[in-house]
Amino acid sequence: ETVLTQSPATLSMSPGERATLSCRASQSVRNYLGWYQQKPGQAPRLLIYETSNRATGIPARFSGSASGTDFTLTISGLEPEDFAVYYCQQRYILPLTFGQGTKVEI
Amino acid sequence: EVQLLESGGDLVQSGGSLRLSCAASGFTFSNYAMTWVRQPPGKGLEWVSSIVGSGGTTYYADSVKGRFTISRDNSRNTLFLQMNSLGVEDTATYYCAKHLTTVTTWGGDYDYWGQGTLVTVSS
Repeated sequence: ETVLTQSPATLSMSPGERATLSCRASQSVRNYLGWYQQKPGQAPRLLIYETSNRATGIPARFSGSASGTDFTLTISGLEPEDFAVYYCQQRYILPLTFGQGTKVEI
Repeated sequence: EVQLLESGGDLVQSGGSLRLSCAASGFTFSNYAMTWVRQPPGKGLEWVSSIVGSGGTTYYADSVKGRFTISRDNSRNTLFLQMNSLGVEDTATYYCAKHLTTVTTWGGDYDYWGQGTLVTVSS
């Protein structure tokens, strides 16, 4: 199973700051990595697919990148609505796996 | 507008069965693979099962293989998850999710999710 390790577990930030979330894969997943945002009581929302493609309606302040098996989600200029839990997910190797999540808190 | 509406979650005793449904609208259902993802209370996301658009091929996580069966009725735009031999470890909110593109099978990016249905298994 491909393990996705997200860091940090919690990120304490202030509105307007730049947040950098990491996701490390235990083996190559090529570019088949996505990012989801989840707020309390809500379903996850797709932010980024295939490493760096923003999903429909996602603001430009969200961006994704990668270096080998290290993936990064960057939120440039946190808005109040961005405080949530973020999950990475790989869809290259069965079973599909998610990271354990990073909570971005105020 | 794409909508996914799950139902069927309930409190059930260990060893029991449940059937979840996900009613889809707003897109050509048969063109897209669909997936179930679950989330135990206070924990992270876990992929459960996926099914291709025709319903002809299915995929399962090892944790549910042999106990859960995914299926779909394209004439009714509905996705199902039959869950047997339930254990306390199956307690979770179950989400159905639509794949982003028509070309993926098990490995999708999920652009639309239902609101989730809660399955609670008691010992």
